[in-house]
Amino acid sequence: AQSVTQLGSHVSVSEGALVLLRCNYSSSVPPYLFWYVQYPNQGLQLLLKYTSAATLVKGINGFEAEFKKSETSFHLTKPSAHMSDAAEYFCAVSSYGGSQGNLIFGKGTKLSVKP
Amino acid sequence: EAGVTQFPSHSVIEKGQTVTLRCDPISGHDNLYWYRRVMGKEIKFLLHFVKESKQDESGMPNNRFLAERTGGTYSTLKVQPAELEDSGVYFCASSQQTGPQETQYFGPGTRLLVL
Repeated sequence: AQSVTQLGSHVSVSEGALVLLRCNYSSSVPPYLFWYVQYPNQGLQLLLKYTSAATLVKGINGFEAEFKKSETSFHLTKPSAHMSDAAEYFCAVSSYGGSQGNLIFGKGTKLSVKP
Repeated sequence: EAGVTQFPSHSVIEKGQTVTLRCDPISGHDNLYWYRRVMGKEIKFLLHFVKESKQDESGMPNNRFLAERTGGTYSTLKVQPAELEDSGVYFCASSQQTGPQETQYFGPGTRLLVL
């Protein structure tokens, strides 16, 4: 069975500071990993995804994530936070080795950005 | 290109009533997913349509939930009769293809409150 754990339900950073949102996964097959963002009153938007190509994945809005198999992690980072980054972020895993394409999500991390 | 749309955006009903949620996927997307987020918990998969067929409904909580996808276009999710624990945000997502290249596009969700 697959699962995702996001460490920290709330993270607060100052504008211009590093953003680090943690995600650890569990999967018995090679995983496909995703980060989604949800801005207030909007749907989930894909930030980036890992599908077994490059381990460092660059996404939209300056975000990137690194797949580390030895640590079973897929942490999301951004060098310099902007006020507009305040949102809820979700890590998700899927496996296409089976027949399912459904995503398994973590509980989400709310990011606050202080001026 | 229009995104995934969901109707209504909010619904407040009393226990025992019936509610029907609608999802219009992106045109041409054969895959349609329903997910639900109960407050404080993770987003969970409910079911997956490929065109008009149910590919996977392993996440449906019980037989009070009925999903349909007429002609492989829009989908409805009916809850009858609704219970308090059905409250949450119901998300719909669609995609063109499953597999490593799949990207699921999410709608804004329907916020259901059962009193």
